[in-house]
Amino acid sequence: EAGVAQSPRYKIIEKRQSVAFWCNPISGHATLYWYQQILGQGPKLLIQFQNNGVVDDSQLPKDRFSAERLKGVDSTLKIQPAKLEDSAVYLCASSLVLAASYNEQFFGPGTRLTVL
Amino acid sequence: AQKITQTQPGMFVQEKEAVTLDCTYDTSDPSYGLFWYKQPSSGEMIFLIYQGSYDQQNATEGRYSLNFQKARKSANLVISASQLGDSAMYFCAMRGNNAGNMLTFGGGTRLMVKP
Repeated sequence: EAGVAQSPRYKIIEKRQSVAFWCNPISGHATLYWYQQILGQGPKLLIQFQNNGVVDDSQLPKDRFSAERLKGVDSTLKIQPAKLEDSAVYLCASSLVLAASYNEQFFGPGTRLTVL
Repeated sequence: AQKITQTQPGMFVQEKEAVTLDCTYDTSDPSYGLFWYKQPSSGEMIFLIYQGSYDQQNATEGRYSLNFQKARKSANLVISASQLGDSAMYFCAMRGNNAGNMLTFGGGTRLMVKP
């Protein structure tokens, strides 16, 4: 079974530039998550999708971050414009279903973003 | 609101010995799940073990076991017979049924296994 795919693996941009990350979840997984992991911290959920609908985006800085999941499969996360504090690893994860206490999330390798 | 606390930023353990990584949590949800993930230097989060709040027995998965003490709100990870490949960051996380199933992570513990 193929895992969660993410690209690019690394990205370096100047502040105020735009950047986009792509995620392809495990086939058949209805739920998709984007996390931000700042160096030395645990991951923080930015947004979660159930199929192509947003379930929770309460921690997404909507003035500069946006995400979509067209057709309920792949997803893109965009930052426009980027700030220095956006430097982090952006992790994508997927799971079979949303509504279950036990609901293992499978993570991708992440995209390491450096904003200069 | 949910909160996970990992008080050990870093730990050393001798190869082949056992080690306990601490995790305490706080939640108002009556039903919740506790997870441990391993994050090697490659960056990927690897699921290790799960404990449900109503599970009567402590979870075990191979060399991993979870010491669940509900009254103390602790869910410590025990790794037996440590191996060099166990060197990584370890994160405790929690999901509550009333929190939109959001997974909340602790700050992590860096484990270093000495040969």
